Amino acid sequence: QVQLQESGPGLVKSSETLSLICSVSGDSISDYYWSWIRQPPGQGLEWIGYISNSGGTIYNPSLKSRVTISVDTSKNQFSLRLNSMTAADTAVYFCAKIADRGGWFDPWGQGTLVTVSS
Amino acid sequence: EIVMTQSPATLSVSPGERATLSCRASQSASSNLAWYQQKPGQAPRLLIYGASTRATGIPARFSGSGSGTEFTLTISSLQSEDFAVYYCQQYNNWPPYTFGQGTKLAIK
Repeated sequence: QVQLQESGPGLVKSSETLSLICSVSGDSISDYYWSWIRQPPGQGLEWIGYISNSGGTIYNPSLKSRVTISVDTSKNQFSLRLNSMTAADTAVYFCAKIADRGGWFDPWGQGTLVTVSS
Repeated sequence: EIVMTQSPATLSVSPGERATLSCRASQSASSNLAWYQQKPGQAPRLLIYGASTRATGIPARFSGSGSGTEFTLTISSLQSEDFAVYYCQQYNNWPPYTFGQGTKLAIK
């Protein structure tokens, strides 16, 4: 079955850019839609954006000016870049597959904690 | 943006009893609603989509109902592994997809 795994730095300095990669196994990344979601410590879930099977992207309007999601089909990976990081961006970042019949997320990666330091 | 509001924030229930969790949308989400379960240190797990369809492998004690702005997740006969945080998510009107703030199901 499909599995997702996030990777990237656990610590980012304030004002710098976060770069995360989600590696997908069990599915071709070119066939589905893929998303990033984050969760600040002890808080709820916030959808960041998605990339479609054709490479098109849709972002959360609250983050749109700072977010880029891209795909590397040769590696079956997709990535997240979030610039101008602040302490408010400290969160567990999850990647997830969007169901092809609707907008629910399944499955999810295990998540990776990113802490923004000053 | 559709705002999702879950109630209560914490629900204390004894094992073997029934739990009823609520989710309200600020505008109609039709039946485009999902429920997730999250345990500490883990990713959310899909339970329900389409407001009432159980995901693959989800036990029959989990059921979802509702449409429009009012939704319910019912867990009949709580098992020890069911104590977790539950989130609802709408996918009717996006961007953005939005989640509720969660209901923590605690052991009474």
